[in-house]
Amino acid sequence: QKEVEQDPGPLSVPEGAIVSLNCTYSNSAFQYFMWYRQYSRKGPELLMYTYSSGNKEDGRFTAQVDKSSKYISLFIRDSQPSDSATYLCAMSVPKAGNNRKLIWGLGTSLAVNP
Amino acid sequence: EAGVTQFPSHSVIEKGQTVTLRCDPISGHDNLYWYRRVMGKEIKFLLHFVKESKQDESGMPNNRFLAERTGGTYSTLKVQPAELEDSGVYFCASSPRQGLGEQYFGPGTRLTVT
Repeated sequence: QKEVEQDPGPLSVPEGAIVSLNCTYSNSAFQYFMWYRQYSRKGPELLMYTYSSGNKEDGRFTAQVDKSSKYISLFIRDSQPSDSATYLCAMSVPKAGNNRKLIWGLGTSLAVNP
Repeated sequence: EAGVTQFPSHSVIEKGQTVTLRCDPISGHDNLYWYRRVMGKEIKFLLHFVKESKQDESGMPNNRFLAERTGGTYSTLKVQPAELEDSGVYFCASSPRQGLGEQYFGPGTRLTVT
């Protein structure tokens, strides 16, 4: 079983829609939960990260973590064509020396249609 | 400020040949990470440098892979001899801090082994 599960999609929505992206995980040791956005032929770019259960909002983006269910979500409000990209969840496990290692989901491909 | 750069952007080599990938991190970033994404799979951690020292190389697939970071600046990842299963996109990321310091990714090198 994979440590992080993410539906690769593709997901296609009309402009202005609310988008919900999700990941589930199995490792209770995960501490930080991150969402990255990756445009075609580019590297991943950190969007948001959260530590505790609950919601964190940044503009049109809201990250939600439910540790009891081992489930995280990213909501995009008023989606724009420029939001079309692959969204990857990543989770960190602690390592020795205050380091952390990222475990990644597959990524969900999102297309926002004008 | 220049971002993380990687060279080449794309490399096609035959099985058994040698390839060297290069990563130039953001100036002043002590932490440098290598990741790989094989088609259809998740991004996987390969290794982590702090300055010129290998902090964690637990993700390196085997001894055909050799990473160096001379002088704590740019890094190279050499694959010798390359095998078909080495094909994928190799990402480099850098961070100014250890722990959960945000990692800034380069655009990746797409390696194809035929």
